Amino acid sequence: EPEVTQTPSHQVTQMGQEVILRCVPISNHLYFYWYRQILGQKVEFLVSFYNNEISEKSEIFDDQFSVERPDGSNFTLKIRSTKLEDSAMYFCASSPGAGLYNEQFFGPGTRLTVL
Amino acid sequence: EDKVVQSPLSLVVHEGDTVTLNCSYEVTNFRSLLWYKQEKKAPTFLFMLTSSGIEKKSGRLSSILDKKELFSILNITATQTGDSAIYLCAVENNYGQNFVFGPGTRLSVLP
Repeated sequence: EPEVTQTPSHQVTQMGQEVILRCVPISNHLYFYWYRQILGQKVEFLVSFYNNEISEKSEIFDDQFSVERPDGSNFTLKIRSTKLEDSAMYFCASSPGAGLYNEQFFGPGTRLTVL
Repeated sequence: EDKVVQSPLSLVVHEGDTVTLNCSYEVTNFRSLLWYKQEKKAPTFLFMLTSSGIEKKSGRLSSILDKKELFSILNITATQTGDSAIYLCAVENNYGQNFVFGPGTRLSVLP
């Protein structure tokens, strides 16, 4: 069964460093998403991406964040200068379409720890 | 501000019990409501609801939406220990693929 994959599973970085979190969505899906979940807190929407551009982003997704689909398979989230409060589990998700076809499939997550 | 509230936040039951989880929401332009089950890591999709009054069913799980009263319930009958998880409710607003998640209900099913 096709699935969303994410790498690495755990990333440890120093405050101020740049990190890139990688995701491979399901191959025929068209919509891609990033979410984060701070330990013990709720899942928070970051950004959605369609047709090679951001279609929606939340207040959390400020200038420190960027997303890219550098080739036909990867979908990346870059955090330019990490802060302690960026420590969280980051989930990538993809869906085949929008509206009624919006069943999102989540990847296993990348746990980001900022020291 | 868009908001999703879930209750209870935590629930402990015994195997065989039936549970009802609640989700209420306030969003600017409602598009759909989704239920997810989160065990150790990533949420897994359960249901997507877009219309009022139409029950969606999958095995022992069922869900229904009331767009007038702005809430949804998730029912689990004959609970099993494998149902222990956090159940997340999320609402999509109509401005795009923007999803607001509730805090989740942590369900523990004891043998």
